[in-house]
Order: sequence, then structure tokens, then C-alpha cells
Amino acid sequence: NAGVTQTPKFQVLKTGQSMTLQCAQDMNHEYMSWYRQDPGMGLRLIHYSVGAGITDQGEVPNGYNVSRSTTEDFPLRLLSAAPSQTSVYFCASRPLAGRPRGGEQYFGPGTRLTVT
Amino acid sequence: RKEVEQDPGPFNVPEGATVAFNCTYSNSASQSFFWYRQDCRKEPKLLMSVYSSGNEDGRFTAQLNRASQYISLLIRDSKLSDSATYLCVVNIPGYALNFGKGTSLLVTP
Repeated sequence: NAGVTQTPKFQVLKTGQSMTLQCAQDMNHEYMSWYRQDPGMGLRLIHYSVGAGITDQGEVPNGYNVSRSTTEDFPLRLLSAAPSQTSVYFCASRPLAGRPRGGEQYFGPGTRLTVT
Repeated sequence: RKEVEQDPGPFNVPEGATVAFNCTYSNSASQSFFWYRQDCRKEPKLLMSVYSSGNEDGRFTAQLNRASQYISLLIRDSKLSDSATYLCVVNIPGYALNFGKGTSLLVTP
């Protein structure tokens, strides 16, 4: 199993550009999510999905779109990049069965994004 | 009020010491609790789940106090390799997980 994979690892954008961060998992997890991590702010939830065709907003959704057409893939789109979106982005997945409210969450290696 | 609060530290301890971290959560309906470990510039990884009766995994012991809404992590016989940031994690309504900002631990020789 590759687990959770993310591409690219690093990206530099200019203000106003758009791009898509890719995320894929091969563990057949129903739940997938995107976080951003900034110094002193911890991990903040951007969007999440509990299955194909179902997405919802997290704590900081503005400026980002997601879709979930398959169980495996959960891309994050930046519509018009801003310097405030400079951050490390982590994709994660977890099974919904098991323990109360689901099991262990697995993270991808992250994408380091800089917007100039 | 942040849903999951942790003392950011840093906690500087010598090798072999015992160190404890606490975490408080605000949503009394939370049902899943975890401790994650994050090394510098890496992704978080599960350290251990936290069960109502408390649980132990080698040198690590986790406790949950639902009445006071706090979770603790105890590390015995600290190793240099334990240096990392420890994240307290609680589920929020639904299946999303809410992460604390983390507690930084530095174990010194």
C-alpha cells in the first residue's frame, strides 16, 4: 500500500494563479480531508468528505474548492492564490468503521506552497 | 475558545525523565481521542488512541477524564528520539478530527 500520496511536494505560485493539489489514497477509506498548517496555528481543517459525491466545509474553507468523484481521490483547488495561502497542506484519510466515530487518520507527506 | 487546547511548551527534559502533557477539549459530545506525534517538517502520525479506561503502550500512557474533559499523555524514561511535537486530537460532531496546536518536547542528553 502506498497509503496517502500528495503531489506536488513543493509549489511556488504567483498571486492570482490557480492550481490543484492532488491527493490519493489506496486504503479504501471513506473519509478524506485537507488541512493547512501554519506556524503557531496548528492544523486547521479546510474541507472534508465522507464519501464519493459528498463534501463539506471545515474551519477555513474560503479560497478553496474540493470535489470527490471517486473513493481514492480528493483534489484541493486554489481558485485565485493569495499570499495568505502560503502554508503546508496535508491531505488525510481515515476509515469510518471501527472505534466510536472512526479509526486512525493517515496523513500524506504534505505540499509546501508559497504564494508570492 | 479553541476546541482543543494544549500547553505549547517547549518542555525540555533530560534523557530518562518522565514528562506529562495535558490537553483539554470543549465539546462534551466528543467520542474519539488520540495522541499524534509530528516530527519537524513531517506529517503527523498516530502515537496512540485514548480509551476511557486509560491505556498504555510501552513507555507511553494515555488517560481520559470525561468529567473534566481532559486527556493526558505520560512518557516514561524519555529517549532522545522522543523529541517531537505531540498533538492532542478529538473528534468534532460528525467524523472530522480537531487537532490541538501541539506541545513541543525536547529531550536532551
